[in-house]
Amino acid sequence: GNSVTQMEGPVTLSEEAFLTINCTYTATGYPSLFWYVQYPGEGLQLLLKATKADDKGSNKGFEATYRKETTSFHLEKGSVQVSDSAVYFCALPNYGGSQGNLIFGKGTKLSVKP
Amino acid sequence: EAEVAQSPRYKITEKSQAVAFWCDPISGHATLYWYRQILGQGPELLVQFQDESVVDDSQLPKDRFSAERLKGVDSTLKIQPAELGDSAMYLCASSLGAIYYEQYFGPGTRLTVT
Repeated sequence: GNSVTQMEGPVTLSEEAFLTINCTYTATGYPSLFWYVQYPGEGLQLLLKATKADDKGSNKGFEATYRKETTSFHLEKGSVQVSDSAVYFCALPNYGGSQGNLIFGKGTKLSVKP
Repeated sequence: EAEVAQSPRYKITEKSQAVAFWCDPISGHATLYWYRQILGQGPELLVQFQDESVVDDSQLPKDRFSAERLKGVDSTLKIQPAELGDSAMYLCASSLGAIYYEQYFGPGTRLTVT
């Protein structure tokens, strides 16, 4: 089935630093790819998505590009803020199994210091 | 903005006791998912419903876990008896349909088994 591997954390950055969180995937076909964010004590929120190769998803200053040739979907932000402190999950659908449930990476915890 | 509701938010129970979680999806969403998130890990699917029917419960420990969505709207997940290893966050998500539709997550229920 489909799978995803993401960079393990924790990642600690100073405010305004550049962020990259790596994510690579293994999949049948070309599924949509997602980044979800989980703030402390909360459920997951969709941060951005890309539905086909070379698509760039973006939201709140975060970007990720669907790279078919490297099977990657790395998350980037040019200048992080303290409010970006959260856990970030890369995900893709599990078409091989139950028709659409998501397969998540283990998550990368980001802490941004003022 | 419509949200997925879950209750309770927190639950502490002793092992061997029964526990139940409730989820109310966004109105009109036919697909409902229950995920379990162990601390430090990404969510993993327990069960997926399409309307009132189970479409995937392959990862549900059926000797102790049960799930229902009787009228195709809200859903209940039950554990009986609870074990120490069941301590986790239980997340409910809903979408308009399976595949190609965004999943919206509730805030989760944090279960602690003592």
